[in-house]
Amino acid sequence: EAGVTQFPSHSVIEKGQTVTLRCDPISGHDNLYWYRRVMGKEIKFLLHFVKESKQDESGMPNNRFLAERTGGTYSTLKVQPAELEDSGVYFCASSQDLRYTGELFFGEGSRLTVL
Amino acid sequence: GDSVTQMEGPVTLSEEAFLTINCTYTATGYPSLFWYVQYPGEGLQLLLKATKADDKGSNKGFEATYRKETTSFHLEKGSVQVSDSAVYFCALTKDSSYKLIFGSGTRLLVRP
Repeated sequence: EAGVTQFPSHSVIEKGQTVTLRCDPISGHDNLYWYRRVMGKEIKFLLHFVKESKQDESGMPNNRFLAERTGGTYSTLKVQPAELEDSGVYFCASSQDLRYTGELFFGEGSRLTVL
Repeated sequence: GDSVTQMEGPVTLSEEAFLTINCTYTATGYPSLFWYVQYPGEGLQLLLKATKADDKGSNKGFEATYRKETTSFHLEKGSVQVSDSAVYFCALTKDSSYKLIFGSGTRLLVRP
């Protein structure tokens, strides 16, 4: 069974440009999450989808970030325009159950470098 | 607010050495505690968990005990292997929430 896949694995862009990160969850997982790790610090929650609906987007840093999950399958996270402080690793995770039992499945992460 | 504090790395050990990675937490109520591991080129994986005080989580030779009196969940392994080289993250959730609160991660390097 394929795991959570993310791409690109690494993206280098100039400040002010746009980047779109993609996440394909494990097939059948209705719950999809985005997290990010900035500057080697702690990994922080960004948002949670249940199918195509945003269940919780309280962790989104500002309106330069837009997440979508059309059709309840893959998800995209767009940063527009990118700023230097957006550099970090963006992790996607998926799970089958809404109640968290410790079984979040993470992707390898997409590293974003903003110059 | 709730938080997790881990010892800073990197931690460098020789093969077969004893490992301890310290983790303490600040949280109201009764959180569940987790250790996740990220091996090179892979996503984070759940290593072990404990959901109530005095529970011991264990997996792949790693252990951690939920100590409410010291608000700690230290990760231990009696004899590390080169293949244990990875980044280890301590985390908590409350009320079975999907919002994991992570520590900053500790990189472990095991040399032959």
